[in-house]
Amino acid sequence: GDSVTQMEGPVTLSEEAFLTINCTYTATGYPSLFWYVQYPGEGLQLLLKATKADDKGSNKGFEATYRKETTSFHLEKGSVQVSDSAVYFCALSNNAGGTSYGKLTFGQGTILTVHP
Amino acid sequence: NAGVTQTPKFQVLKTGQSMTLQCAQDMNHNSMYWYRQDPGMGLRLIYYSASEGTTDKGEVPNGYNVSRLNKREFSLRLESAAPSQTSVYFCASREQGNMNTEAFFGQGTRLTVV
Repeated sequence: GDSVTQMEGPVTLSEEAFLTINCTYTATGYPSLFWYVQYPGEGLQLLLKATKADDKGSNKGFEATYRKETTSFHLEKGSVQVSDSAVYFCALSNNAGGTSYGKLTFGQGTILTVHP
Repeated sequence: NAGVTQTPKFQVLKTGQSMTLQCAQDMNHNSMYWYRQDPGMGLRLIYYSASEGTTDKGEVPNGYNVSRLNKREFSLRLESAAPSQTSVYFCASREQGNMNTEAFFGQGTRLTVV
């Protein structure tokens, strides 16, 4: 079945540091890929998405590129802020081969803490 | 816009007790989902409802039942709570028929079973 693997966390950075959170996936067909963010005490909200190979999703200074050849969708940000402290989830959605219709498959989440 | 509303936000149960988690969305979405979130395991799908009148099992359905009451509401029931069901539960909704669209999540229910 489909699966998503994220880099082990937690990640601790100083403000203005460069961020990379790795995400790789296994899926049949051509899934859509997402990054969701969860701020403390809140539900998940969409950060960015890419729906086909070589697409780049971007939002709030975060970027991720859909790489089909390496089955990856790594999240990057050039200069993190304290307000970026949150849990980040990589996810995929796939309707190929009769898989569960419209469901999202999530990675395990990466806790990011940014210090001033 | 309210989006997806879950109740309650917190709950403590004794082993063997039952309870129902409520979820409602006001975005006219056909598809609704229940996930549980556990440390180091991400979100795992318990049950989903692709459209009003249908429900299907996800990855971890044992110990749970669901009801799609109408298009807006999708409830999750624990008939006999167990400590292994201590978790944070999220309800989500999404447009049907388009795997590219955003899923919207409620704020979660933190459940502790003692």
